[in-house]
Amino acid sequence: GAGVSQSPSNKVTEKGKDVELRCDPISGHTALYWYRQRLGQGLEFLIYFQGNSAPDKSGLPSDRFSAERTGESVSTLTIQRTQQEDSAVYLCASSLAGPGATNEKLFFGSGTQLSVL
Amino acid sequence: KQEVTQIPAALSVPEGENLVLNCSFTDSAIYNLQWFRQDPGKGLTSLLLIQSSQREQTSGRLNASLDKSSGRSTLYIAASQPGDSATYLCAVRPMDSNYQLIWGAGTKLIIKP
Repeated sequence: GAGVSQSPSNKVTEKGKDVELRCDPISGHTALYWYRQRLGQGLEFLIYFQGNSAPDKSGLPSDRFSAERTGESVSTLTIQRTQQEDSAVYLCASSLAGPGATNEKLFFGSGTQLSVL
Repeated sequence: KQEVTQIPAALSVPEGENLVLNCSFTDSAIYNLQWFRQDPGKGLTSLLLIQSSQREQTSGRLNASLDKSSGRSTLYIAASQPGDSATYLCAVRPMDSNYQLIWGAGTKLIIKP
């Protein structure tokens, strides 16, 4: 597609339920990032995928959070047993190259607004 | 630990004014600094990326400067327009083992017609 696509755009769930968020990066982009943005705050890094390398999971806040990526395409972020503090916008971004490269320009999706009741 | 601060948190100016947004960071060991804009309901759009060896970058009416030694960057917007209204975020790419972007909380800019 022309840009990074995320689905769903909005998700309302009950505390304790599992949710799955999806990200379709731009074709050919080897790097993929997940971020979380709480209201009025900056972005918080969650996880980073680069090609077929092991992902950088250092930003995941707890073991309730996990993510997968199939090759260099779709990624899913799963939150198990959701809590109210998980409510936030979850943003996905992709880029041609990894961190620190001269062509590391990030392209973002529109995000998924998650509300945990 | 790298921290990024943006002041002010919000700014409202009349159309046509030139304005400056500020970003400061605590550790000068960075690969680059990046400016983004965020529109409600939309994702972030990359505006400018300044490598650590550069002093500034320009794109149209936007000019971003970087002073690594003082830990500061400014985003200058010339002849502001209502369409410039958005939240502007800066982020630094640190030179540590993690090297993931560290983000400021943003400046919400409103340009009044």
